[in-house]
Parts: sequence; structure tokens; C-alpha cells
Amino acid sequence: DVKVTQSSRYLVKRTGEKVFLECVQDMDHENMFWYRQDPGLGLRLIYFSYDVKMKEKGDIPEGYSVSREKKERFSLILESASTNQTSMYLCASNSGDNEQFFGPGTRLTVL
Amino acid sequence: DAKTTQPNSMESNEEEPVHLPCNHSTISGTDYIHWYRQLPSQGPEYVIHGLTSNVNNRMASLAIAEDRKSSTLILHRATLRDAAVYYCILRDRSYSGGGADGLTFGKGTHLIIQP
Repeated sequence: DVKVTQSSRYLVKRTGEKVFLECVQDMDHENMFWYRQDPGLGLRLIYFSYDVKMKEKGDIPEGYSVSREKKERFSLILESASTNQTSMYLCASNSGDNEQFFGPGTRLTVL
Repeated sequence: DAKTTQPNSMESNEEEPVHLPCNHSTISGTDYIHWYRQLPSQGPEYVIHGLTSNVNNRMASLAIAEDRKSSTLILHRATLRDAAVYYCILRDRSYSGGGADGLTFGKGTHLIIQP
């Protein structure tokens, strides 16, 4: 059974903290994605990566950075968390132009 | 990107067929129609996709209008586990970046299944 896992289902952090969200896929996919999902705004792409050490900005990269040191792992970093980054964060992966496989999501609350 | 329009919500009874409509009047010739769904407290999952011909898989069927300006996702026999938000999106296959192309979901259709 193919799998995308995320390090936490729920996370609570304080304003100004550095936050790491980890995503791991076991399907040997070259592409990995980070999205955030907010009520009324749908799914929005933050960053994606098409290969190890390669990254591209999505639609809303401000306030975020990413790291892909290994093919199976894609990390999302909030350098200094702010309350407007409270959201559901979803990681996904795919190969070529095939369907994307999503993780269960991390609900992040920044106080 | 071409936009899609879906009803906000639909209700159906268990074990009955469900037809979820999607309008995409500005679809281009290179746009594929994709459907994903998101069950409560889970990440989205792929359901089906097509270009011009109707498509069937183990989860659902996709009926595409002849002019491609609309499509319908068909769940042949809905169960309580099919209660989810269903998203209809268009994916342009002329995109030079290949598969590294993010998805854009709108609000989707909230499908409610009554026992």
C-alpha cells in the first residue's frame, strides 16, 4: 500500500518559533509538494520539488522554505511562525504527470 | 487556468447512484478533467480522470459531455464511506514542467450520504 506520511497530525507552536514539518513517501516519486488548505480558500501550493535538492516556489511561498536532501523526504520550514500560518498543511507526491498521493495532513496552530 | 463550477453540496441515500456535476465552459483542448475527493480529517485522494471519452475505474465513472464543457462523476452505489468533498479540476497537459505541477482545488461539492 503506497504511503505518504507526515510527522505530526496536530501541532501547536508559539509566534516566532521555527517550525519543521516533515513528509516521507515510500513510492520512489521524484515530485513532492507542500500545500496549505484553509476554509473558503481551497488548496494552495506553497513549494514543490522535482528532484533531490531542487525546489520551486508555488503560489504562496512567502514565510516558508523547504528542504529536500533525500528523494523520499521533503521538509517544510516556517522560519518564524506567525498566527496567519495557522492552517492545515498537506504533503503530496507523484511521478511524472500521474495522480498525486497525499498525506493525512498536519493541523498547525500558531498562538 | 480554466475554472470549474460545482454545486456546494449534494445529498443522496446509501446504496443509490450519485451523479456529481462539474461545469468547465472555458476548458481548452489540452485540459484533462480530474476528480479528487477528501474524506473527513484526511488528505485528498485521486478518484478518476479523462480527456474526451467516458472512463471507468474501481471507484467511479466519469462521463464527459461531447463539447467537454461539463462532466459528471458517477458513484454507482454510494456508501457511507463515500461521504466527502469532491473536487473537479482541470490539468493542462501542455505544461512543460511535466508532473511537477501543483493542484488547485476550489470549494468542491460536499456529498452527504443518508443511511
